Amino acid sequence: QVHLVQSGAEVKKPGASVKVSCKASGYTFTVYFIHWVRQAPGQGLEWMGRINPNGGGTNYAEKFQGRVTMTRDPSISTAYMELSRLGSDDTAVYYCARDYGYPHLGDFDLWGRGTPVTVSS
Amino acid sequence: EIVMTQSPATLSVSPGERATLSCRASQSVYSNLAWYQQKPGQAPRLLIYGASTRATGIPARFSGSGSGTEFTLTISSLQSEDFAVYYCQQSNNWPPYTFGQGTKLEIK
Repeated sequence: QVHLVQSGAEVKKPGASVKVSCKASGYTFTVYFIHWVRQAPGQGLEWMGRINPNGGGTNYAEKFQGRVTMTRDPSISTAYMELSRLGSDDTAVYYCARDYGYPHLGDFDLWGRGTPVTVSS
Repeated sequence: EIVMTQSPATLSVSPGERATLSCRASQSVYSNLAWYQQKPGQAPRLLIYGASTRATGIPARFSGSGSGTEFTLTISSLQSEDFAVYYCQQSNNWPPYTFGQGTKLEIK
């Protein structure tokens, strides 16, 4: 079975950084882009960026440029999303999601269960 | 950035009836439109991609239509497990990929 398994909940203080992991299983990790999407409490879905596990190339939403870093370790089929300079409005559930792949790039066919991140002093 | 607008915000429908959800894009996204279902406490699930193709394992009562700027998700005969929030998302112009604000489908 194919899965994306995310790391556990985090509580951070304002100004800190958080790093969330996403481990893939059941498929070849390097074939499909991994995206990161977040959802603030009671709100909708917001795309943050994507990483190509084959080579590590990234694309970020302008909103998060300079504050987000997406990396990967193909040897353990894991992608990471680090968000710095956290503020209270970064409190959200952070999801990783697999890209469907060509010719439907940008459709997300497999999701992790989400990692809640709480930013509070 | 393409803005996706869903209507209505909340839709109340009885089990067994048909539900029709709408999604409008601020500019043409051709057929690069997906629909997701999200239940409380769960991750979204891909229902429809390419505006009208059902994802693997999605029942035939779910159908998508439209192209350009106007799209529709239809659930032909609502089952109890279909009451959830539904999001549309465009993948034509990016970054960023953008989602609608969601339609909550509730039991009437």
